[in-house]
Amino acid sequence: DQQVKQNSPSLSVQEGRISILNCDYTNSMFDYFLWYKKYPAEGPTFLISISSIKDKNEDGRFTVFLNKSAKHLSLHIVPSQPGDSAVYFCAAYSGGGADGLTFGKGTHLIIQP
Amino acid sequence: ETGVTQSPTHLIKTRGQQVTLRCSSQSGHNTVSWYQQALGQGPQFIFQYYREEENGRGNFPPRFSGLQFPNYSSELNVNALELDDSALYLCASSSRINYGYTFGSGTRLTVV
Repeated sequence: DQQVKQNSPSLSVQEGRISILNCDYTNSMFDYFLWYKKYPAEGPTFLISISSIKDKNEDGRFTVFLNKSAKHLSLHIVPSQPGDSAVYFCAAYSGGGADGLTFGKGTHLIIQP
Repeated sequence: ETGVTQSPTHLIKTRGQQVTLRCSSQSGHNTVSWYQQALGQGPQFIFQYYREEENGRGNFPPRFSGLQFPNYSSELNVNALELDDSALYLCASSSRINYGYTFGSGTRLTVV
């Protein structure tokens, strides 16, 4: 049973446009959500996070939106740049994090020139 | 500030053998966790150590075991290797249990 779902395996966006990556979750106990970016042959790199008590968090070109009632979050990247091409993972944890992070399967974002 | 380093980067083992993977935490981090990432999947939580004690475990059998040392470095041991154990093994460290995690580049384990 997948508790964190990223239903789009890949997404292609033109350079300069907005990239929107989506993530759904089923566990209502999750209280912290994170986005990671991963290049081939490297470990995941932390991008941005949001607590369940907020509905938006912004950091430069990256904004994460959380809709708790829909159990849905999204990552917006504006404007998209070629270096943004990577696999993006949505992750979540609950309580003190002793159960570790629960990851989605990832979305491969491809920025086209 | 050094990041998380893992060794070796690649490893090939035979089914039934045992393997030890190593991880050095980022400076100042006292929590380390291990993840298994199979091809095309997201990382899956194996277990977590905080101040040398295991304080969380995912859905992995007992043949997956670990250690954390006083300097907060860590080992992942896998006994009786199976073909399905072939994966990228990621180590992550953090300064608090519920804080953002810094990942290493991983060890690619192939079991033949």
